[in-house]
Amino acid sequence: NAGVTQTPKFRVLKTGQSMTLLCAQDMNHEYMYWYRQDPGMGLRLIHYSVGEGTTAKGEVPDGYNVSRLKKQNFLLGLESAAPSQTSVYFCASSYPRTGDGYTFGSGTRLTVV
Amino acid sequence: DQQVKQNSPSLSVQEGRISILNCDYTNSMFDYFLWYKKYPAEGPTFLISISSIKDKNEDGRFTVFLNKSAKHLSLHIVPSQPGDSAVYFCAASSTNAGKSTFGDGTTLTVKP
Repeated sequence: NAGVTQTPKFRVLKTGQSMTLLCAQDMNHEYMYWYRQDPGMGLRLIHYSVGEGTTAKGEVPDGYNVSRLKKQNFLLGLESAAPSQTSVYFCASSYPRTGDGYTFGSGTRLTVV
Repeated sequence: DQQVKQNSPSLSVQEGRISILNCDYTNSMFDYFLWYKKYPAEGPTFLISISSIKDKNEDGRFTVFLNKSAKHLSLHIVPSQPGDSAVYFCAASSTNAGKSTFGDGTTLTVKP
């Protein structure tokens, strides 16, 4: 099925551990995004990319790094996980046409203990 | 400073009636507004959008109204169905910005 695939779906990390979240899309979208959603809050943008090899910071980039080496993949890294990074992470992709909306993945639920 | 606000955390309506979800924004540079629907344990799904040059956009049971002078938009669902029960997010973006800003969401419950 065409869409956005996030790996893994669930993960528990210990404080200080590192991990990488993988996002893959097969719609040939130019733009890709990483958002986090905390209870009772909306989606906050962590980082985004407007094309292969480019990345930019969003609202809450601290503690995260990203890479877009291939157009279809967008990786989100946590170098040293903290309990404050416990959240649900959503990846999305889109064409540059603003009114078309994003296609979201199903999310990764991350718990840092 | 939250640029996109959904002031009602929840809304409950009877099946068959109209649901009206509201959203306010502060940034005059926003020129596209979007609504997404989210079921539990799933990612948001794009529902409908409106350009700032329009004041209304309709798609089936869903209509979005934009009042630029008031910096306010609303999503109308008529008639509401139990399957519409979900969290609805309002989002706003400006052309060429490459990203959207989301509100905190409104949980809609449609009672049979």
